[in-house]
Amino acid sequence: EAQVTQNPRYLITVTGKKLTVTCSQNMNHEYMSWYRQDPGLGLRQIYYSMNVEVTDKGDVPEGYKVSRKEKRNFPLILESPSPNQTSLYFCASSFPGTPQFFGPGTRLTVL
Amino acid sequence: SQQGEEDPQALSIQEGENATMNCSYKTSINNLQWYRQNSGRGLVHLILIRSNEREKHSGRLRVTLDTSKKSSSLLITASRAADTASYFCATDSEGGYNKLIFGAGTRLAVHP
Repeated sequence: EAQVTQNPRYLITVTGKKLTVTCSQNMNHEYMSWYRQDPGLGLRQIYYSMNVEVTDKGDVPEGYKVSRKEKRNFPLILESPSPNQTSLYFCASSFPGTPQFFGPGTRLTVL
Repeated sequence: SQQGEEDPQALSIQEGENATMNCSYKTSINNLQWYRQNSGRGLVHLILIRSNEREKHSGRLRVTLDTSKKSSSLLITASRAADTASYFCATDSEGGYNKLIFGAGTRLAVHP
């Protein structure tokens, strides 16, 4: 089954404790992206990757890191999480110029 | 930055009625997409309309695009309670590379 998976689905952590949210897709998509969703703001792009070893900042990259060592994986790293990073996070993937497949989301709470 | 703005922010209708949602955007686009999100879950792609298209249909969905006004509308005909969800437009900007910019969404409630 074609899908984008994210782990964990729910996470409660404390300020400053490094965490990684994994994202994996099984569709051989070149393009992957991370979004955060906050009430009233829609989805905002954090980082995206056009292919292996090619990443770039989206609209709200501060406080986040990503890597793309393999085509299928695109982890999101929060080196020192802060409460303003409490949000719902989505990973997505696609071929160029085609609709994006979204993962189920990761709900992160930073205390 | 937000490119698209949906209107209305919330819409409440009865089953069987039609629901119309509008989206406005600011820059030139390659295409405009509509996505649906059930509460707190991932987004599901509904329909994509390219900048050289004016209207597109998919089942009970009808999307129009007016590039001169930088606006689009999504019409859901004969709505069902299962259509209750949030609907987002997203623009893939000209010169971009699948970089979607989403609006804040329209929350649709369809009552039995």
